[in-house]
Amino acid sequence: DTGVSQNPRHKITKRGQNVTFRCDPISEHNRLYWYRQTLGQGPEFLTYFQNEAQLEKSRLLSDRFSAERPKGSFSTLEIQRTEQGDSAMYLCASSHRRAGRTDTQYFGPGTRLTVL
Amino acid sequence: AQKITQTQPGMFVQEKEAVTLDCTYDTSDQSYGLFWYKQPSSGEMIFLIYQGSYDEQNATEGRYSLNFQKARKSANLVISASQLGDSAMYFCAMRELNNAGNMLTFGGGTRLMVKP
Repeated sequence: DTGVSQNPRHKITKRGQNVTFRCDPISEHNRLYWYRQTLGQGPEFLTYFQNEAQLEKSRLLSDRFSAERPKGSFSTLEIQRTEQGDSAMYLCASSHRRAGRTDTQYFGPGTRLTVL
Repeated sequence: AQKITQTQPGMFVQEKEAVTLDCTYDTSDQSYGLFWYKQPSSGEMIFLIYQGSYDEQNATEGRYSLNFQKARKSANLVISASQLGDSAMYFCAMRELNNAGNMLTFGGGTRLMVKP
């Protein structure tokens, strides 16, 4: 059973550059989530997809952030014109809603972004 | 207001002893779920245990159990027979089931250190 995978694992970029992260969920999981985690804090919700539809976005997701899940499988998170405050761990999770079962989110290893 | 509060930034426990990690939550919803995740230094969030608000019995998963006190709005994690590999950050999280975003709200975490 393959877990959630994320690429790259680490990204160092200069302020003002654009970056894109990829998340591959657990096969057949129809729900996909992005979270951001800064040092010493718990993860904070960014956005949520059910299949290819983006159903919820946090106010943390500024106009510089965009997420897609074009075919309801993998997802990308793009940050345009990066700022030093964007430095964080970006976590992806997936889940599968089944009747009578807990909809548990399983997380990937994360992408650590450092903006210089 | 904080929805999930973890009051212990750090905890020490002797190997083979039991330890309780505290979590209190705040919600006006009747339907919600509580989760505990473990985050080792590698960064991946590992699901440990789940408790639904309507579950009458405390959840157990191997060495993990959840001391759920609904009236006090607490959901403490108990780890029995601690092992060195249990050293990690532990996060309590809540999902309010009436929330269309299906998001998890996390506490600030507790760092557990197991002493040999």
